[in-house]
Amino acid sequence: EIVLTQSPATLSLSPGERATLSCRASQSVSISLAWYQQKPGQAPRLLIYDASNRATGIPARFSGSGSGTDFTLTISRLEPEDFAVYYCQQRTNWLAFGGGTKVEIK
Amino acid sequence: QVQLQESGPGLVKPSQTLSLTCTVSGGSIGSGGSYWSWIRQQPGKGLEWIGYIHHSGNTYYNASLKSLVTISMDASKNQFSLTLTSVTAADTAVYFCARLYGDCFDFWGQGTLVTVSS
Repeated sequence: EIVLTQSPATLSLSPGERATLSCRASQSVSISLAWYQQKPGQAPRLLIYDASNRATGIPARFSGSGSGTDFTLTISRLEPEDFAVYYCQQRTNWLAFGGGTKVEIK
Repeated sequence: QVQLQESGPGLVKPSQTLSLTCTVSGGSIGSGGSYWSWIRQQPGKGLEWIGYIHHSGNTYYNASLKSLVTISMDASKNQFSLTLTSVTAADTAVYFCARLYGDCFDFWGQGTLVTVSS
């Protein structure tokens, strides 16, 4: 079973700042990693698939990088609507989500 | 654009069976490449994958829930369903259905809250 560990648990930033979120896998998942954004009361929304590909309609300020066991989601300049919880997910070995990172307004 | 909608009882008694249905529109659940999935989120917690079903009928379940879960599909109605037996308060959650395409979930239902309580 592959475990995904996200850090930090909470990120306190101001609009306009850069956000860097980490997802670490307990063993290699190659590039089979996705990122989701979830706002309160809503379903998650796919942001990034295959580690670095933006899903349809996702703004260019969102970018993903990494391979193997270490992955990063970067939001270049936070917009007010970006404050949410972000999850990573792998499907290399069964399927699992990370515990999430909450990006909150500082 | 694929759309998914969960339906089912919002309240289930402990030890009873939870049953939910997901209705898919804008695409056929019989199409190749898609796996039709259930995911849940306990209050204030993260996402937990429950399992998924392929149009071939093959199913895959989270090992921690495998003995309690059944996912089935009705292609004629373009629906798939979740059954979770012997529920406890720990099964109180928002249940989402979603399409797994490739290695990620690209379309999601809005989610439905199921509370386990007597």
